[in-house]
Amino acid sequence: EAQVTQNPRYLITVTGKKLTVTCSQNMNHEYMSWYRQDPGLGLRQIYYSMNVEVTDKGDVPEGYKVSRKEKRNFPLILESPSPNQTSLYFCASSQPGGLATSSYNEQFFGPGTRLTVL
Amino acid sequence: GQNIDQPTEMTATEGAIVQINCTYQTSGFNGLFWYQQHAGEAPTFLSYNVLDGLEEKGRFSSFLSRSKGYSYLLLKELQMKDSASYLCAVRGPNQAGTALIFGKGTTLSVSS
Repeated sequence: EAQVTQNPRYLITVTGKKLTVTCSQNMNHEYMSWYRQDPGLGLRQIYYSMNVEVTDKGDVPEGYKVSRKEKRNFPLILESPSPNQTSLYFCASSQPGGLATSSYNEQFFGPGTRLTVL
Repeated sequence: GQNIDQPTEMTATEGAIVQINCTYQTSGFNGLFWYQQHAGEAPTFLSYNVLDGLEEKGRFSSFLSRSKGYSYLLLKELQMKDSASYLCAVRGPNQAGTALIFGKGTTLSVSS
């Protein structure tokens, strides 16, 4: 089954304790992205990756790191979590959309990780 | 700048028709997506428009007017399970034409 998986699904942690949220996709997608979703703010992009070893900042990258050593995996790392990083996190993947394309190439989302930082 | 506007909330009754509007001002346009998201779950793809006009998929239709920067999602024969948030997202030229800019979503409540 084509899917994006994330682990853990739920996590409660304390300020300053490093954590990693894993993301894996089995669709051989080149593009992967991390979002956070907060009430009233919608989905905001944290980091994205166009391919292996190619990552870049999205709109809200502060306090986060990512890596893309393999095509299928795109972990999100919080080196020193703070309470303002309490949020619902989604990983997504797709093939590149291309310019002026008529193809779907929609983004497929993982099930989400609800993170609480105390 | 990038801006996508949708109503925050809408209510409707079972069996009715509802139209959720989306207006956008973005630097570049490579298509518009509608996603459905049930509370606490992942967004799931509903529809995609890149050319002007109406796309129909069963009970769901989506319309696009690029000159007006406007789209709508039409849901017919509403069911209770349609209670969810509906996200409008524009694909821009950034990130090799892959980046999505999301609106804040419209929460639809369907009552019996």
